[in-house]
Amino acid sequence: SQQGEEDPQALSIQEGENATMNCSYKTSINNLQWYRQNSGRGLVHLILIRSNEREKHSGRLRVTLDTSKKSSSLLITASRAADTASYFCASYTGGFKTIFGAGTRLFVKA
Amino acid sequence: DGGITQSPKYLFRKEGQNVTLSCEQNLNHDAMYWYRQDPGQGLRLIYYSQIVNDFQKGDIAEGYSVSREKKESFPLTVTSAQKNPTAFYLCASGASENREKLFFGSGTQLSVL
Repeated sequence: SQQGEEDPQALSIQEGENATMNCSYKTSINNLQWYRQNSGRGLVHLILIRSNEREKHSGRLRVTLDTSKKSSSLLITASRAADTASYFCASYTGGFKTIFGAGTRLFVKA
Repeated sequence: DGGITQSPKYLFRKEGQNVTLSCEQNLNHDAMYWYRQDPGQGLRLIYYSQIVNDFQKGDIAEGYSVSREKKESFPLTVTSAQKNPTAFYLCASGASENREKLFFGSGTQLSVL
């Protein structure tokens, strides 16, 4: 069963602009992660935020988590053409269970 | 893509044929996973293995089989019972002490002839 839902499904911005994508999930989580996937490739882990954290930064990435709303957002600041990819949220509920959303396709125009 | 190698990159299956997708990792991870990705959808778990000689069904195991005879290897067989096998298949691994973070291979695109 798919737990994560992402919004928007696709996003097109100019280089230098910020990109924000959102994720919602349905049940309690241990943590939430964001992954990136370039076309035709595997996923690469970007950042993890634990259920007791509200915000986390890593370079140009900023992730927020609102457990009361069961939602998270990923902000990429000062985007570059190389950021063009699909971005997936993944909710970890414990054990060996990680549930992925459908992803947001980001296109950054140079 | 990390220390995980998937082969082949592209695979074609004929009607009624079983095909096997290879996944090898050199990260010394205990846990390995197979996911299926369809266009516009998230990843769905097919099978996972916590340790050698043990594996568990995921959400969409029907029509698939796996083995885990070595720690480094977790091959996936797509059997003729899988009626809609066309998809992008991703193998992943994770450390026992840090199960939450997954490392992915570069994927195999399976198509039906």
